[in-house]
Amino acid sequence: KAGVTQTPRYLIKTRGQQVTLSCSPISGHRSVSWYQQTPGQGLQFLFEYFSETQRNKGNFPGRFSGRQFSNSRSEMNVSTLELGDSALYLCASSQQGTDTQYFGPGTRLTVL
Amino acid sequence: DQQVKQNSPSLSVQEGRISILNCDYTNSMFDYFLWYKKYPAEGPTFLISISSIKDKNEDGRFTVFLNKSAKHLSLHIVPSQPGDSAVYFCAASEMNYGGSQGNLIFGKGTKLSVKP
Repeated sequence: KAGVTQTPRYLIKTRGQQVTLSCSPISGHRSVSWYQQTPGQGLQFLFEYFSETQRNKGNFPGRFSGRQFSNSRSEMNVSTLELGDSALYLCASSQQGTDTQYFGPGTRLTVL
Repeated sequence: DQQVKQNSPSLSVQEGRISILNCDYTNSMFDYFLWYKKYPAEGPTFLISISSIKDKNEDGRFTVFLNKSAKHLSLHIVPSQPGDSAVYFCAASEMNYGGSQGNLIFGKGTKLSVKP
């Protein structure tokens, strides 16, 4: 089985812009979770989608949003980018959401 | 307030010896624990997990021990190999559907260096 894929792998944006990141889960996995990794805060949960519904959300501002499509692929969007949004954004998939999550390689976002 | 703590930011071990990575948690509702290994600029790779109904789970060179009363778990790697050098993250979640679906709480990681 192919693993979790994320596109793009690297992205450079400027403050105020918006960005969309994409995640394709492992085939058969219906849950997709998003995490932000920064040197200071470590890995922090953003939100989780299951069957096109957001089931859980972390403590991030409303500028961070996401969605899931009927084929379980997911996108996350960050609007009005700030310098502090520079991070590695990781997507993880699992069958049910409460079992083992498998991570993609991440998208490295740099905000200038 | 950190719910999952890895108090050792780094650990250095000689090749062939045992590596022991520790993790403490505060939330008694956690009932599923995982260890991930991570290289720079890559996503975490799942290593091994344990549910709260067990106190030990083994997979090849990796063994995870869970002490629920102490809210402590550890990952043992025996024997350690230079290729094991990476950052190891402990993560926890609640297995029930009480509102924590798909939400792993991670420790800050321990950087393991295995010297030849």
